Amino acid sequence: QLVLTQSPSASASLGASVKLTCTLSSGRSSYGIAWHQQQPEKGPRYLMSLNSDGSHSKGDGIPDRFSGSSSGAERHLTISNLQAEDEGDYYCQTWGTGIRVVFGGGTKLTVL
Amino acid sequence: EVQLVESGGGLVKPGGSLTLSCAASGFILSSYTMNWVRQAPGRGLEWVSSISGGGTYIYDADSVRGRFTISRDNAEKSVYLEMNSLRVEDSAVYYCARSYCSGGNCYDALSVWGQGTLVTVSS
Repeated sequence: QLVLTQSPSASASLGASVKLTCTLSSGRSSYGIAWHQQQPEKGPRYLMSLNSDGSHSKGDGIPDRFSGSSSGAERHLTISNLQAEDEGDYYCQTWGTGIRVVFGGGTKLTVL
Repeated sequence: EVQLVESGGGLVKPGGSLTLSCAASGFILSSYTMNWVRQAPGRGLEWVSSISGGGTYIYDADSVRGRFTISRDNAEKSVYLEMNSLRVEDSAVYYCARSYCSGGNCYDALSVWGQGTLVTVSS
């Protein structure tokens, strides 16, 4: 079964960096994922696609402060120089045959 | 500008029906797989349904299979979600989203999102 696991919450101070993690279920370490941001009271926004080798492709207008990396079954989103507007929910998402799209449960990021 | 605009949401009674529309602009709709995703109040994102560019392949989540039908009209630049036998638990904001495709490299990362339309199922 294709499952993505995320920590429910994370926090970091304004101007600091934070690393969010999304873990693929067993046997799926070759899968790519996408990261999405959802600011309060807004719709989701695509941040980037992230491959198993760590290469990533960012969406239009996504600042350089957002970067992705991979290690085994883990996919990471690092946000540097945190800004107040980075606060919100972050979802990872993957895809497979049959069930086309799968989302992680999301991580609520608080900027202190 | 690439844009997706959903419409058709509203209040409906349990057991009722509703059809959502997604108007696409700024790109050739037939080149992309399209998807519906929903988000219940205070909850995470839940994939609902996907349809391939030509409409040949359709995939549905178990929670909606047999009740919801995704379709598309590429000439009209629109994607639809027909929802029947609605339940209280179908209440959510429904988003239309486009899968990624660039230079022949296509996969189901949802790279363009609409603003959503609210569906409320209540008596």
